[in-house]
Amino acid sequence: AQSVAQPEDQVNVAEGNPLTVKCTYSVSGNPYLFWYVQYPNRGLQFLLKYITGDNLVKGSYGFEAEFNKSQTSFHLKKPSALVSDSALYFCAVRDQLKGGGNKLTFGTGTQLKVEL
Amino acid sequence: NAGVTQTPKFRILKIGQSMTLQCAQDMNHNYMYWYRQDPGMGLKLIYYSVGAGITDKGEVPNGYNVSRSTTEDFPLRLELAAPSQTSVYFCASSRGGDGSGYTFGSGTRLTVV
Repeated sequence: AQSVAQPEDQVNVAEGNPLTVKCTYSVSGNPYLFWYVQYPNRGLQFLLKYITGDNLVKGSYGFEAEFNKSQTSFHLKKPSALVSDSALYFCAVRDQLKGGGNKLTFGTGTQLKVEL
Repeated sequence: NAGVTQTPKFRILKIGQSMTLQCAQDMNHNYMYWYRQDPGMGLKLIYYSVGAGITDKGEVPNGYNVSRSTTEDFPLRLELAAPSQTSVYFCASSRGGDGSGYTFGSGTRLTVV
């Protein structure tokens, strides 16, 4: 089975500074990787995905992620953090369903706190 | 366009009671999923469906049941509620299975006491 790991439960950053939320993956074959964001009392929202091609993927709200095959990582980044970016971030990998089709397997989540 | 609608938003159950969490989507998506979210544990797949009349177990199906009589609806049934089922439940849907097209509902926060 495919899996992802998010080594940090929480990341704190000052507004205006760059942010990185880490994710590493373990897959057989080519990875299909995703980032989702969850704001308080809301469902998860899609940010970006990597399937193939350019290792730097751009997504919503100014976020981007860098796919690194040698380090099996897919870190989420943003050049300048905003207080409104404070949320729970999930890395996910596409995994196969035993009955056919695919599902997402999620990491444990990283709480991002951006302070003034 | 409502997307994925979950009801209720909050519920407190007593041990041994039963309830149904409702999930409806209006996007004509084939795939629907039920996840539970526990602190520090991420989201775990309970059940999924790849189309009307087809359901299958995910990672943590014990204590739950589902049905998919229509494309739109995918209710999750809890029989004999237990404290271990205290969690936040999310329903999601997608047209295909590639992951990026997941639309999540806003969740149901369930407490079993």
